[in-house]
Amino acid sequence: EAEVAQSPRYKITEKSQAVAFWCDPISGHATLYWYRQILGQGPELLVQFQDESVVDDSQLPKDRFSAERLKGVDSTLKIQPAELGDSAMYLCASSLLAGAYEQYFGPGTRLTVT
Amino acid sequence: AQSVTQPDIHITVSEGASLELRCNYSYGATPYLFWYVQSPGQGLQLLLKYFSGDTLVQGIKGFEAEFKRSQSSFNLRKPSVHWSDAAEYFCASRKALNAGNMLTFGGGTRLMVKP
Repeated sequence: EAEVAQSPRYKITEKSQAVAFWCDPISGHATLYWYRQILGQGPELLVQFQDESVVDDSQLPKDRFSAERLKGVDSTLKIQPAELGDSAMYLCASSLLAGAYEQYFGPGTRLTVT
Repeated sequence: AQSVTQPDIHITVSEGASLELRCNYSYGATPYLFWYVQSPGQGLQLLLKYFSGDTLVQGIKGFEAEFKRSQSSFNLRKPSVHWSDAAEYFCASRKALNAGNMLTFGGGTRLMVKP
């Protein structure tokens, strides 16, 4: 069964350092989402891509976060510099179309900033 | 703005007992509603969804949910809980199935199952 892949699964970094997360959606899925999930809360959307274009990044802290999906397939989310408050689970999800019923989630990357 | 509320942060039930997890949404029109489950350290898995039609929807793993417009609720139920159901459950809503309309999640309910 096709799955959304994410790496690394766990990342520990010191504040002010740069960190990057990678996501490979299910093959053929045009829409890709990055969510941030703070411990004890529900996920919140950071950015949504349709193919290689950003559809919604209104909740992305653009002074330190960036996301790209250059070829419309896999995607990278970067934080520079990392802050203590960035400690969270970063989830990637994909769907066949933007209007598709179901988003398929990857296992997430657990980030701890010390 | 739409929002989703899950009033219960933690729930503990005995194995074999029935379960109901509460979810309330705030949105003028009927939203699209979802329930997801998340096991520790894992991503989210869709249990069921409601768009229109029959207000009682069936999902995977023996779960069902009922949409009640008058109460703005979409509660998740299971008649007999198994130990493997211990996880965190998230209710989510979406305004419409159009580009740019993202999921809004509730805060989650952590389910613990006693043997």
